[in-house]
Amino acid sequence: QQQVKQSPQSLIVQKGGISIINCAYENTAFDYFPWYQQFPGKGPALLIAIRPDVSEKKEGRFTISFNKSAKQFSLHIMDSQPGDSATYFCAASRSSGNTGKLIFGQGTTLQVKP
Amino acid sequence: EAGVTQSPTHLIKTRGQQATLRCSPISGHTSVYWYQQALGLGLQFLLWYDEGEERNRGNFPPRFSGRQFPNYSSELNVNALELEDSALYLCASSLASGGGYTFGSGTRLTVV
Repeated sequence: QQQVKQSPQSLIVQKGGISIINCAYENTAFDYFPWYQQFPGKGPALLIAIRPDVSEKKEGRFTISFNKSAKQFSLHIMDSQPGDSATYFCAASRSSGNTGKLIFGQGTTLQVKP
Repeated sequence: EAGVTQSPTHLIKTRGQQATLRCSPISGHTSVYWYQQALGLGLQFLLWYDEGEERNRGNFPPRFSGRQFPNYSSELNVNALELEDSALYLCASSLASGGGYTFGSGTRLTVV
């Protein structure tokens, strides 16, 4: 119940295309859903995050779509650029009964071809 | 504002030895988290420290331990190193747990 399942494991997109990464969770107590971007040799960097009271959040070319009833959320990268090539992790945590534990998906390696 | 800093960047140890990894959080952040990123296994939660106390630990053996100092910096100790401990160890900090974490660049531990 603590798992966050992420798909696909890898993704190749042409420059200018839309990249879509999906995550699913089981624990309905999760109430914070961030996405992280990690470049080789670097730590993950927070990209965008959402809470369950909204169904969508957009920041520039990055959008999170959240479906509470399906317990799924996804990251959409519009107009994908070669500089977006990185590994993306979804994650989830809960505020109540705070465990301080951010549960990560397994990661998606995105390659954007020029 | 300085980010989360980790040292050393790389560490090579022999099986059976002990490793000590260090982390300095962002100024003002009181919570420090440790994660292990092994190849193909994603990010696994190790430890959470807040206000000098260990608040939670992940599913790792007791030879993984640590502490948080009064200045909120933290140390991760791994005793009796095993080959499978080879991984990138990431430290993160936050103002209040459950929110956004800021990660450091990690310490690459190699056990030979």
